[in-house]
This record gives sequence, C-alpha cells and structure tokens, in this order.
Amino acid sequence: QQQVKQSPQSLIVQKGGISIINCAYENTAFDYFPWYQQFPGKGPALLIAIRPDVSEKKEGRFTISFNKSAKQFSLHIMDSQPGDSATYFCGANNLFFGTGTRLTVIP
Amino acid sequence: NAGVTQTPKFQVLKTGQSMTLQCAQDMNHEYMSWYRQDPGMGLRLIHYSVGAGITDQGEVPNGYNVSRSTTEDFPLRLLSAAPSQTSVYFCASSYSKENTEAFFGQGTRLTVV
Repeated sequence: QQQVKQSPQSLIVQKGGISIINCAYENTAFDYFPWYQQFPGKGPALLIAIRPDVSEKKEGRFTISFNKSAKQFSLHIMDSQPGDSATYFCGANNLFFGTGTRLTVIP
Repeated sequence: NAGVTQTPKFQVLKTGQSMTLQCAQDMNHEYMSWYRQDPGMGLRLIHYSVGAGITDQGEVPNGYNVSRSTTEDFPLRLLSAAPSQTSVYFCASSYSKENTEAFFGQGTRLTVV
C-alpha cells in the first residue's frame, strides 16, 4: 500500500497565480511532513515542513495546510514565479515520499 | 561547507559487476540514508543508519548493502548489478532521526547495461 500519495503529477500555472499540490498519508504515527523542491540535475532541498500539532505553517510565499483527521496536507505557492518551476515532493518522516509534481510557471 | 558529497556523479556498469557509491557528510549528522529516484516513483528509501555501526533496511533494500564505520561516511554497495538498478541515487543526512530536515547530495546517475 502506497504510504504517501501525491497529486497532481504535473501543474502549469501563470506567473502570479497560486500553485496547489496535495498529499495524503496512511500511517498516523508519522510526525514530520516535509516538502522538498528539486531542480533538474540537483538533489532535493527542503522547502518547508510541518508537524501534526499545527494546522498551517507559512514561510514567505509558501504555506502548508495540514488536516490531521483527513490525513492530508497540501502545499500552496502564492504569487508563483518562473523560478518556482521545479519538481516538488511531499514526504512523511523522510521514510516515504510522494511521486512528485512537476510545476511549470509560465511568464 | 561541502554538506553531503556523493561520488561518482555518473557511472555505467555491466550486468553482474559490483561497485560502491560513496557518500560523505561534514555536518556531524548522526542519521544518514540512501534513496533511489525513478521516473514516476518518487524517492524510495533503500537503507538508513542512525549512527556509526547501526544500519537498517528501508522500503527497497534488495540488491544493496551498506555499512557505517564512521559518522561521516555511508557507502552503498551493489554486489551484482542488474538493469533494474538503473536509477539516480541520492544520499542524505539529518541531524537526528528521520523526522528532521534531510540534506541531500547531488546524486549519482547509474546505468546498468
């Protein structure tokens, strides 16, 4: 059973728009939910992370919304920029990851 | 600061050959891990270590061996390479346990022919 499910696979957004990526997890024992950003040819780098004792975390244009009862969390990128074009992975305790979302922001 | 360093960056192996992917970190992190990244599959955990002398299996450990003799180094060994092991491999380290920020290396792109 897939421990972390991520959608959509790909996303195209106009510059200035909002990008939303969703993830769902299975195991309620997970206590760390990160989002990693990866540019082509590079390793993933932590963008933002949340723990299950809070429902939202915001860092600049990036926000995680967390719904513990539904076992779901999402990444919102406000005012999306072409430089945000990358692949995004959600994770659970760095043990399991989603399959990734390729975000393209059109100028 | 070098962070997490992986070598080599690229490697081509013949089926049945063995090799070691090197990983070193200079952040004095206790926790280190290896992942493989395949198209449409995301990152999958191969093996991890919570400290020198301690290793454990992740989600996809078959065909891979690891050891951790020092805090800094965590090599990944392929004993008999198979085409199914063609992938991009990432090493990562964290200050402690799996529920803190992971710092990834640049990756090793391995092709098994």
